[in-house]
Amino acid sequence: EIVLTQSPPTLSLSPGERATLSCRASQSVGNHLAWYQHKPGQAPRLLIYDASHRATGIPARFSGSGSGTDFTLSVSSLEPDDFAIYYCQQRSNWPPSITFGQGTRLEIK
Amino acid sequence: EVQLVESGGTVVRPGGSLRLSCAAFGFAFDDHGMSWVRQAPGKGLEWVAGINWNGVGIGYSDSVRGRFTIARDNAKSSVYLQMDSLRAEDTAFYYCARSMSGHFQSFDHWGQGTLVTVSS
Repeated sequence: EIVLTQSPPTLSLSPGERATLSCRASQSVGNHLAWYQHKPGQAPRLLIYDASHRATGIPARFSGSGSGTDFTLSVSSLEPDDFAIYYCQQRSNWPPSITFGQGTRLEIK
Repeated sequence: EVQLVESGGTVVRPGGSLRLSCAAFGFAFDDHGMSWVRQAPGKGLEWVAGINWNGVGIGYSDSVRGRFTIARDNAKSSVYLQMDSLRAEDTAFYYCARSMSGHFQSFDHWGQGTLVTVSS
């Protein structure tokens, strides 16, 4: 099973600052990596798929990069609504498998 | 508008069984793979099971393999999760999620979740 390790566990920043979140895979996942935003009481929201493609309706301040085992989610200028938990996720079609990272909590400093 | 509506969550005793359902609206259901993802209290997201568009490709997490069964009925635009031999650690919100394609992919739409509590 592919393990995804996210860092840091918690990131404390102020609105307007840049956020950089990391996700490392235990073996190569190619570009089969996605990022989600999750807030309490809400369904998760897809931000980035296939490592660097923004999902429909996602603001341009969110960007994804990386391939193989190392991936990054960047938020160029944090807005109050961006403070949430962020998860990375990888997928494999054979054998069929999906795993999530343990999450990074982005909190207001 | 795409909608996923889960149902079936309740309180069940350890060792018991439960069947969750997810009804889909607003899109061509048989064009998409579907999955169940859960979140236990205070924990992160965990993928539980997934099924591709025609039901041939199926996968499970190690924690539920052999106890849970995922199935779909394209005629009813629904996906199901049969949960047997339930344990306390299965207590969680269970989300139904749509894959972007017919296979195992990123999840572009999610339901609001249904709560399963395993307790005596």
